[in-house]
Amino acid sequence: AQRVTQPEKLLSVFKGAPVELKCNYSYSGSPELFWYVQYSRQRLQLLLRHISRESIKGFTADLNKGETSFHLKKPFAQEEDSAMYYCALPPSSGAGSYQLTFGKGTKLSVIP
Amino acid sequence: ETGVTQSPTHLIKTRGQQVTLRCSSQSGHNTVSWYQQALGQGPQFIFQYYREEENGRGNFPPRFSGLQFPNYSSELNVNALELDDSALYLCASSLWEENEQFFGPGTRLTVL
Repeated sequence: AQRVTQPEKLLSVFKGAPVELKCNYSYSGSPELFWYVQYSRQRLQLLLRHISRESIKGFTADLNKGETSFHLKKPFAQEEDSAMYYCALPPSSGAGSYQLTFGKGTKLSVIP
Repeated sequence: ETGVTQSPTHLIKTRGQQVTLRCSSQSGHNTVSWYQQALGQGPQFIFQYYREEENGRGNFPPRFSGLQFPNYSSELNVNALELDDSALYLCASSLWEENEQFFGPGTRLTVL
C-alpha cells in the first residue's frame, strides 16, 4: 500500500536559515507528488507539485526516486513561511481527479 | 470565481446520532472529495463523487455515505456516530481531468 511519511512533527528554524521539510513515500509505479500548505486560520492549499517543476514562494522540491523522497526546500526562511506542510500523493492506479494520501504533516515555525 | 464552501462550521453531536455535512464545490468543478482530519493527523481520504456517483473510497465503514447533486454540491452523512468520528471534515473540489484539488474550510465535528 502506498504511504507518505513526514518524520518531523515540528521544525523550528531562524529567519534567513535554510529549510528542508522531509517527505518519504512508498509507491508502486511512477508517483506524482504534491506539497500542500495550511497557514494559520486558512484553508489547505496546494503549494507545488513535482511535475510542474515550479518554485513557489521560494520553495522547491525534487523527486528522488532512488531514495523515494520528495523533500521541500527553501534557502532562506521567512516568518510568513510558518505553517503546516503536508506531503501527498495520489493512488497508484486509476484515473480522474486524484484521491490523495497525505502525510501527518510538519509544523514549520520560523523564529524572528 | 466562488471557492469551496462548507456548512456548518462547527457541530456537536452525541454518540449514536446521525449527522449531515454539506459542501458546495468551486464554480466549474465537477468532482468532490471528502477527507477526515483527526487532531494532529493529515487528512484521510473518505470518498470521492463524480457524476453523482461514488468513485473511490478510503478505509471507512459503510456508515459513512455521501451524495452528489446535479449542481455538483455534495453531502457527507455519518450514521451511528462514535467518539472517534470527532474530527475536521474537509471537502475538496476539482475537475475530473485535473489533479489539483481546492479545499474548503472544513466542518469541525465533535461527538460527545
